[in-house]
Amino acid sequence: ETGVTQSPTHLIKTRGQQVTLRCSSQSGHNTVSWYQQALGQGPQFIFQYYREEENGRGNFPPRFSGLQFPNYSSELNVNALELDDSALYLCASSSWGRRAGNTDTQYFGPGTRLTVL
Amino acid sequence: AQRVTQPEKLLSVFKGAPVELKCNYSYSGSPELFWYVQYSRQRLQLLLRHISRESIKGFTADLNKGETSFHLKKPFAQEEDSAMYYCALKSAGGTSYGKLTFGQGTILTVHP
Repeated sequence: ETGVTQSPTHLIKTRGQQVTLRCSSQSGHNTVSWYQQALGQGPQFIFQYYREEENGRGNFPPRFSGLQFPNYSSELNVNALELDDSALYLCASSSWGRRAGNTDTQYFGPGTRLTVL
Repeated sequence: AQRVTQPEKLLSVFKGAPVELKCNYSYSGSPELFWYVQYSRQRLQLLLRHISRESIKGFTADLNKGETSFHLKKPFAQEEDSAMYYCALKSAGGTSYGKLTFGQGTILTVHP
């Protein structure tokens, strides 16, 4: 069973630029969630994708957007980068079905460390 | 709004001593709670979930709905338990279905 992978590991951008982060979900999982973890803080939910559609969103502006592909991998895009966007971005995959209810565990990737200068 | 509070940022104990990491939550529905752990240079991983009522690596956690708490306990701490611990609550409905809300985390250090 392959775990959640993320790329790149580290990234440095400047203010105003755009960035794309990538996530491959664990084998057998159909749902991907993205979290932002600022230094010294717990992860904060950005959004979740299920069946290629956004399935819930946290308190993040529209310049944070995402995609999910038919193979369940996902991208997180951030436009007009700000200094406060510097953080560790975590992707988590899970297996979710409405009939079963949302009881499946989210498994996390290693994260992408984004630095905005 | 749901919230998870871990009142201790740092917790130090000696090997063999009991340890309790506190977690309190606020949530209007029926909560599903988790403890995640992050060892040095490793990814965030699930330690245990309340619905499983299991003991992992000697850790247990009981959901107390009256006190809205989900404290993590271990009777005899080991040095390898040193890590960052996060308590998390999962949304069960609405537009944030499946969202995990994390506490700030507690760094546990177990001294030899």
